[in-house]
Amino acid sequence: QKEVEQNSGPLSVPEGAIASLNCTYSDRGSQSFFWYRQYSGKSPELIMFIYSNGDKEDGRFTAQLNKASQYVSLLIRDSQPSDSATYLCAVKGSNFNKFYFGSGTKLNVKP
Amino acid sequence: GAVVSQHPSWVICKSGTSVKIECRSLDFQATTMFWYRQFPKQSLMLMATSNEGSKATYEQGVEKDKFLINHASLTLSTLTVTSAHPEDSSFYICSAIRQGLTYEQYFGPGTRLTVT
Repeated sequence: QKEVEQNSGPLSVPEGAIASLNCTYSDRGSQSFFWYRQYSGKSPELIMFIYSNGDKEDGRFTAQLNKASQYVSLLIRDSQPSDSATYLCAVKGSNFNKFYFGSGTKLNVKP
Repeated sequence: GAVVSQHPSWVICKSGTSVKIECRSLDFQATTMFWYRQFPKQSLMLMATSNEGSKATYEQGVEKDKFLINHASLTLSTLTVTSAHPEDSSFYICSAIRQGLTYEQYFGPGTRLTVT
């Protein structure tokens, strides 16, 4: 079992719709959770982090964390074609300085 | 967000030569940096964890004598690919940890290495 699981996609949504990306993790001791966006040929860019149960909103992005169910999600409202990228879920494990990445979900936003 | 730089952004070298890649955290101190490699259309692969003032910790299967890592200061880590071969051609990405409540990891822009 991988530490962090993501559906590889591609997830296709029309422009203006809500894109929902999900991630599950195995280490119950994990404390911090991150979403990165990676465009093709570029390095990952941190877009959201969350460490408390519930929702965290930043502009069009909302991160949701449910530690009891061990899942994290990212909602992108009013999706734009420029949001088309691979989204990586990352979890900071209970061991010091250990980060685990999912394999990423490819999102396509169609104009 | 925090800024991490890498230099060079791309490099072409001949087989058998060595290449050094620098990773700097520009606006914060980083006791821990990571080095990743990514092949086209594949996931990030962690190569090693670089700790300031101590030896790097390499992931299984990564040759420490081939990929030399030096974390000389709280803002600089270097990766040297020694005796490079065409199969070492890849996208090398560093990241730095900004310590705090959440230990955010910020990535550099990456270095594209081509070995001919």
